[in-house]
Amino acid sequence: DVQLVESGGGLVKPGGSLRLSCAASGFSFNGYTMNWVRQAPGKGLEWVSSISSSSSDISYADSVKGRFTISRDNAKNSLYLQMDSLRAEDTAIYYCARVIVGAIPPRHYYSDYWGQGTLVTVSS
Amino acid sequence: DIQMTQSPSSLSASVGDRVTITCRASQSITTYLNWYQQKSGKAPNLLIYAASALQTGVPSRFSGSGSGTNFTLTISSLQPEDFATYFCQQSYSPPLTFGPGTKLHLK
Repeated sequence: DVQLVESGGGLVKPGGSLRLSCAASGFSFNGYTMNWVRQAPGKGLEWVSSISSSSSDISYADSVKGRFTISRDNAKNSLYLQMDSLRAEDTAIYYCARVIVGAIPPRHYYSDYWGQGTLVTVSS
Repeated sequence: DIQMTQSPSSLSASVGDRVTITCRASQSITTYLNWYQQKSGKAPNLLIYAASALQTGVPSRFSGSGSGTNFTLTISSLQPEDFATYFCQQSYSPPLTFGPGTKLHLK
């Protein structure tokens, strides 16, 4: 079975740093693009960052660009999100999600598996 | 960025009802539209991708339609487990954006 398990969340002061991890199992991790998506308490979903299977394509939401860094270690079946210069508005549950990208046009793009999420709270 | 809107934001319904949720994009996204269900305290769950394709394992009472800027998610006969929040998402152009959600609750 496909499993995604996030870890690394917690309470951090504004300006601080945190590194999230997502451990993948049950599928060939090195063949999939992965996303981080967050959800502030009681709010909607916000895409944060994407990384392609080989790490050749990386993208970020404007709200985190320059502060967050996505990476992966295919040998360890793990996805990471390094979060620096954290702000109160970064408080959210952070989900990792596997991405399906269609092999032929139209190349539809969607997340078929999500982890359970890890809570990041930025507060003094 | 492509803005996604949903209506209604909240919906009261009864078991057995047919319900329709609407999602609109600020520009044409052809059929690059996905629907997710999220139950309280849980991760989102993919229901529909490419506007109308049913994800494996999702009950056939769920269906999606639309193209361009207007899309709908229909639940043909509500079951108790369907009371949740539903989000649409466009994947036509980055950044990926989600609708604000429609909360479906028991009348």
